[in-house]
Amino acid sequence: EAEVAQSPRYKITEKSQAVAFWCDPISGHATLYWYRQILGQGPELLVQFQDESVVDDSQLPKDRFSAERLKGVDSTLKIQPAELGDSAMYLCASSRWRTDTQYFGPGTRLTVL
Amino acid sequence: AQRVTQPEKLLSVFKGAPVELKCNYSYSGSPELFWYVQYSRQRLQLLLRHISRESIKGFTADLNKGETSFHLKKPFAQEEDSAMYYCALNVGVEGAQKLVFGQGTRLTINP
Repeated sequence: EAEVAQSPRYKITEKSQAVAFWCDPISGHATLYWYRQILGQGPELLVQFQDESVVDDSQLPKDRFSAERLKGVDSTLKIQPAELGDSAMYLCASSRWRTDTQYFGPGTRLTVL
Repeated sequence: AQRVTQPEKLLSVFKGAPVELKCNYSYSGSPELFWYVQYSRQRLQLLLRHISRESIKGFTADLNKGETSFHLKKPFAQEEDSAMYYCALNVGVEGAQKLVFGQGTRLTINP
């Protein structure tokens, strides 16, 4: 059964460093989502792609976060520079189309020291 | 404001007892609601959505627009129901999914 893949699973970095997370959605899924989940809270949408285009990044802190999906397949989320408050689980999800069920990856747990 | 509230962070019941996980929402549009579940060491996954009106793993949820609630219920809890449960509200336009999640309820079923 196809699944969303994410790497790395864990990342420890120092504040002010740059970090990057990678997501490979289920094959054929046109819509890709990045969420941030702070400990004790539910996931919060950061950015949504439809193919290679950003359709919603209203919650993305654009001064330090960036996301791309250049060929409309896999995606990278970057933080530069990382801050202590960025420590969280970063989840990727994909769906066939914008109205369909979202399938989540295992997440990348980021710790900023 | 668009908001989902799950008032219980933790809920513990005995096996065979009824379960109700509470979810309230605040939304000015026509609500579309979901329950997601995350079992131990597994990924977050969709449990059910209100428009499907289906029962999954014995769970049901009814949308009550008057009380702005979407509580999740199961008449007889099983140990395998122990998990983290998230209620989510779709605030996207034209059916597109933009989900706002509640903070989650950790359900523990005691033997």
